[in-house]
Amino acid sequence: SQTIHQWPATLVQPVGSPLSLECTVEGTSNPNLYWYRQAAGRGLQLLFYSVGIGQISSEVPQNLSASRPQDRQFILSSKKLLLSDSGFYLCAWMRSGATEAFFGQGTRLTVV
Amino acid sequence: GENVEQHPSTLSVQEGDSAVIKCTYSDSASNYFPWYKQELGKRPQLIIDIRSNVGEKKDQRIAVTLNKTAKHFSLHITETQPEDSAVYFCAASTPSGTYKYIFGTGTRLKVLA
Repeated sequence: SQTIHQWPATLVQPVGSPLSLECTVEGTSNPNLYWYRQAAGRGLQLLFYSVGIGQISSEVPQNLSASRPQDRQFILSSKKLLLSDSGFYLCAWMRSGATEAFFGQGTRLTVV
Repeated sequence: GENVEQHPSTLSVQEGDSAVIKCTYSDSASNYFPWYKQELGKRPQLIIDIRSNVGEKKDQRIAVTLNKTAKHFSLHITETQPEDSAVYFCAASTPSGTYKYIFGTGTRLKVLA
């Protein structure tokens, strides 16, 4: 069966510090991978998606970047965090050609 | 690009009553509309979905309706129970080669016992 792992679960970082959130998927190959952010009172905002190794599409201009160094690994990064980067970050995967997205447990990021 | 609006943002109903959440989308090319439920502190999970070639779909106490002409779709929950309390998200997806969901802003449903 397929599983998605996302870590850490919670993170408190000072403004200006770097960020690295990691997401891995097991039990499948060549998945579509997604990073969403859920800010307080707002919906699930699509940040990045990837259909293959090294292929990243950005949905919104921002202080974040994403990378996919391996088929089942998706990383969300920032060089310098802003207060506005606080939120709940969710990684998701979808089988290529399918329609259901499966979400990870999420990372609650607080920038102080 | 696609834009999805969702109403209401919060909804309180008495146990046993029905709840209706409505969404509108902007891209007429969108052809897949899932609904996700997110319980407090947990990940969103798919509860029901509908494709653009279908007007209504039902799964026990949950149903979704789609009006392609008006570009809106709705989630209906009947005989609500306390465990239905959660945040519900609608989404729209376009066939752009890779399915990419644009989500609504969510509805916090509270079922009062």
